[in-house]
Amino acid sequence: GQSLEQPSEVTAVEGAIVQINCTYQTSGFYGLSWYQQHDGGAPTFLSYNALDGLEETGRFSSFLSRSDSYGYLLLQELQMKDSASYFCAVRAKKNQGGKLIFGQGTELSVKP
Amino acid sequence: EAQVTQNPRYLITVTGKKLTVTCSQNMNHEYMSWYRQDPGLGLRQIYYSMNVEVTDKGDVPEGYKVSRKEKRNFPLILESPSPNQTSLYFCASSFGQAYGYTFGSGTRLTVV
Repeated sequence: GQSLEQPSEVTAVEGAIVQINCTYQTSGFYGLSWYQQHDGGAPTFLSYNALDGLEETGRFSSFLSRSDSYGYLLLQELQMKDSASYFCAVRAKKNQGGKLIFGQGTELSVKP
Repeated sequence: EAQVTQNPRYLITVTGKKLTVTCSQNMNHEYMSWYRQDPGLGLRQIYYSMNVEVTDKGDVPEGYKVSRKEKRNFPLILESPSPNQTSLYFCASSFGQAYGYTFGSGTRLTVV
């Protein structure tokens, strides 16, 4: 089967750096994506790693290592508004990219 | 404004009464998809479509139908809703495999 594992919750303080890990058991996917979801709201696309390595977008960075079946989302200079759930996701190749599999999500709490 | 529009936002209905949740996107995206989100279960894919007249089942298709007659629209049909279909539903769309999904605002459905 295909599955993605994330920690269920992470707590950090304002201004700090936090890393949310995602390990997966799936083969043949197009890349690793990250989404942010505030309580009751729609998921918002944050980043996409097609290749191994680090992708940086402002305060957020995402990393992928296919050989280690592992990726992470790095949030720097944390702000209170970053309190949300974060999901990693992959698009399966065998379904021509139509099938998107999500991890269970990590709830990030940012404290003052 | 580029967006995915779902309607209605909230719906309370009775068991067995057919309903349709509409989804429309104005970005000329090939891929469209429906998800349901339940506490503790994360986001689970119901159906997806890779283009007009091309649809396939996701992880939880039972009790749902979809159609993709036009590129912009991807309605979700519940022929005979049951209480276990009470959930938060999201429609999403994207370009090809290397792109993230844009999500609609969600439809909170309650079946009594």
